[in-house]
Amino acid sequence: NAGVTQTPKFRVLKTGQSMTLLCAQDMNHEYMYWYRQDPGMGLRLIHYSVGEGTTAKGEVPDGYNVSRLKKQNFLLGLESAAPSQTSVYFCASSYWGNQPQHFGDGTRLSIL
Amino acid sequence: AQKITQTQPGMFVQEKEAVTLDCTYDTSDPSYGLFWYKQPSSGEMIFLIYQGSYDQQNATEGRYSLNFQKARKSANLVISASQLGDSAMYFCAMREGTQGGSEKLVFGKGTKLTVNP
Repeated sequence: NAGVTQTPKFRVLKTGQSMTLLCAQDMNHEYMYWYRQDPGMGLRLIHYSVGEGTTAKGEVPDGYNVSRLKKQNFLLGLESAAPSQTSVYFCASSYWGNQPQHFGDGTRLSIL
Repeated sequence: AQKITQTQPGMFVQEKEAVTLDCTYDTSDPSYGLFWYKQPSSGEMIFLIYQGSYDQQNATEGRYSLNFQKARKSANLVISASQLGDSAMYFCAMREGTQGGSEKLVFGKGTKLTVNP
């Protein structure tokens, strides 16, 4: 009964370092999403995928890359972390576009 | 321009009373969907209720109901008989074009609800 699992849950990086956030879902969902949540800003879409092998840009894609090599996994990469990328990152998935999205528990990322 | 507006940064309600959280939206697409999510202090996002633009009746899910007024472009969440566990952030969100090619969900900035004993 895992649903959407995000790894890691917390991470501290130094400016310029790189890292990858992993999202895994076991519900056979087609659509997957990465959001960031900042205080007072709600959630903003970074990138999304409508199926294995596909990715697309969301509202705030700069500084991030994504890959979806397997249907159940959606990876978010930061090539050169910046303090402005300090945020809580959420992954979500859904069957189709008008279905409710199921969210992971979030990853709290701090860039020093 | 903001697509989803939640005008109440914070709301207070007494336990067992009903509360309405406001949400207005902006779209020219005749096909869209509106969602409400709850985010407790523990941080997870919990789906509460959904309303499609073509749905004839207001959506209800247990103690949650959606007061959908299409002409006013509002989709207010009503929580009946508030409980202490309802204290959380509540987010309204919209997806435009529910017939396909509508992958993006736009969130409002949220309303923090506090239920007092």
